[in-house]
Amino acid sequence: DGGITQSPKYLFRKEGQNVTLSCEQNLNHDAMYWYRQDPGQGLRLIYYSQIVNDFQKGDIAEGYSVSREKKESFPLTVTSAQKNPTAFYLCASSRDGYEQYFGPGTRLTVT
Amino acid sequence: DQQVKQNSPSLSVQEGRISILNCDYTNSMFDYFLWYKKYPAEGPTFLISISSIKDKNEDGRFTVFLNKSAKHLSLHIVPSQPGDSAVYFCAATLGNSGGSNYKLTFGKGTLLTVNP
Repeated sequence: DGGITQSPKYLFRKEGQNVTLSCEQNLNHDAMYWYRQDPGQGLRLIYYSQIVNDFQKGDIAEGYSVSREKKESFPLTVTSAQKNPTAFYLCASSRDGYEQYFGPGTRLTVT
Repeated sequence: DQQVKQNSPSLSVQEGRISILNCDYTNSMFDYFLWYKKYPAEGPTFLISISSIKDKNEDGRFTVFLNKSAKHLSLHIVPSQPGDSAVYFCAATLGNSGGSNYKLTFGKGTLLTVNP
């Protein structure tokens, strides 16, 4: 089955700790994305990558970092610099930059 | 500045009737539009799309209409079913005119509730 996996489904961290969210796809898509969803805010783009070893900041990149060393993988690190890290994080991939296909999401709670 | 707007946070309809979800955009450079459906605690799933060279695209019970002059699009679901109850997101991107810029801009979503 082709698709996008995100792990874990739920993640809890103490304030001040960095945390890395996993995203893997086996769709052979070149482009991958990270979004954040907050209640009433829709989906906001954090980072995206069109090809391996390249990525661009989205609309809300501050406090986040990414890497794209492999086509299949696009991990997101939420650093201690992110002021409001508690949110639902969604990873997506796309073959051509039009339709994006989403993973199941990771709910991060920082206390 | 919100470039894609879904002005109705929620919509409630009876099973079997038509659901109409609306979306407005401000960026005239957008020329490819998509609708996604999202259940709680899950990722959005792609429903239907339309490029600016068309004014209508149909897929089963789902039809998207695009009015470029008004910068408005709508998603019609006929007939509505209880399983359609979800949040619907409208999204837009730069498409056909210059090749995708690889970014989608999303609206804030409309919660559709279909009552049995």
